[in-house]
Amino acid sequence: GQQVMQIPQYQHVQEGEDFTTYCNSSTTLSNIQWYKQRPGGHPVFLIQLVKSGEVKKQKRLTFQFGEAKKNSSLHITATQTTDVGTYFCAARGDSSYKLIFGSGTRLLVRP
Amino acid sequence: GAGVSQSPSNKVTEKGKDVELRCDPISGHTALYWYRQRLGQGLEFLIYFQGNSAPDKSGLPSDRFSAERTGESVSTLTIQRTQQEDSAVYLCASSSRQGDQPQHFGDGTRLSIL
Repeated sequence: GQQVMQIPQYQHVQEGEDFTTYCNSSTTLSNIQWYKQRPGGHPVFLIQLVKSGEVKKQKRLTFQFGEAKKNSSLHITATQTTDVGTYFCAARGDSSYKLIFGSGTRLLVRP
Repeated sequence: GAGVSQSPSNKVTEKGKDVELRCDPISGHTALYWYRQRLGQGLEFLIYFQGNSAPDKSGLPSDRFSAERTGESVSTLTIQRTQQEDSAVYLCASSSRQGDQPQHFGDGTRLSIL
């Protein structure tokens, strides 16, 4: 079945440093969504990408969808302690209605 | 408006007992998902309901797990003869359509099997 690989598993950065998490699939994706889960909380939707090569920004967060629609990335510029949490990508294949979640990247930020 | 509501928020039970978890989706949301999240792990898909269509049960780990949903309303996830490996947070999410809309998650039920 469709799988979505997400790396790294975790990353520990100094406040102010940048952070990037990557999501990869062996099959073409219809869309990709990104979620953030704070410690002890539930996943919260951040953004959805649909078009090949699409780039979206939310303040310090930049989301990209690959040209082949098989990979995506989330980049955070100048991390803050409020960015702490686990970031999940979730993707739907071209012929599937079901969202498949990546394993998540846990971000820790040293103040 | 109200979000996705799950109950109970915490459940502690003895091994071998049955448990029932409840999810109230956002009103009007036709799609409903159940996930399991073990400590420090990702989201494991369990089951998906879309309107009155037959549910996708492909993620249920064993026949001890079952779920029901009446129409586009409340869903219950039942685990029979619980085992210690069932300990996890069970998350419910709903969305307004299949897969191309954001999923809205409840706070989850933290299940602990003694």
